[in-house]
Amino acid sequence: AQSVAQPEDQVNVAEGNPLTVKCTYSVSGNPYLFWYVQYPNRGLQFLLKYITGDNLVKGSYGFEAEFNKSQTSFHLKKPSALVSDSALYFCAVRDPNRDDKIIFGKGTRLHILP
Amino acid sequence: GAGVSQSPSNKVTEKGKDVELRCDPISGHTALYWYRQRLGQGLEFLIYFQGNSAPDKSGLPSDRFSAERTGESVSTLTIQRTQQEDSAVYLCASSLGGPLYEQYFGPGTRLTVT
Repeated sequence: AQSVAQPEDQVNVAEGNPLTVKCTYSVSGNPYLFWYVQYPNRGLQFLLKYITGDNLVKGSYGFEAEFNKSQTSFHLKKPSALVSDSALYFCAVRDPNRDDKIIFGKGTRLHILP
Repeated sequence: GAGVSQSPSNKVTEKGKDVELRCDPISGHTALYWYRQRLGQGLEFLIYFQGNSAPDKSGLPSDRFSAERTGESVSTLTIQRTQQEDSAVYLCASSLGGPLYEQYFGPGTRLTVT
């Protein structure tokens, strides 16, 4: 069965420092991987996805994520954090061989400290 | 273009009453999802519609919950005999069909059961 794990409930980073939000997954075969962000009092927004090809995927707001098949990870990164990046981040996985529901992680709350 | 819309944005109801929540997906999106998000928590999958296929109802928490979708358009989530633990934000999302497409979320309906 497919699953996704976000091992950190909360991540604190000083403004200007690089940030990483971790995600690991379990799926048979090659996964489709997604990151979504939920800003305070706003809806969930798509950030980026990995389908195939280059392991480094670039998305909105300067975020990027690296697909690592050997470590079954898809960590979200940004070189220099902004206070406005403070939000709830969700990793999600789909099995490309199954047209069923997407599996979301439980979310990681990112706090960027000024 | 128009995004996913949900109505009402807020609903306060008394315990034991029935409520109906509405979702208007993006035109042309064959897939539609309902999620529940309790305060400060992650996404809880409820139900998934894909085209004319039988919906995946595996996430519905009890038989008080049901959902319908008319073709590839509007969906309604009905909660009968509401309980206080049903209080949450109910999110709807739509996407193009197939596992590689990202979801677009509506703003949610905040349900409060008193």
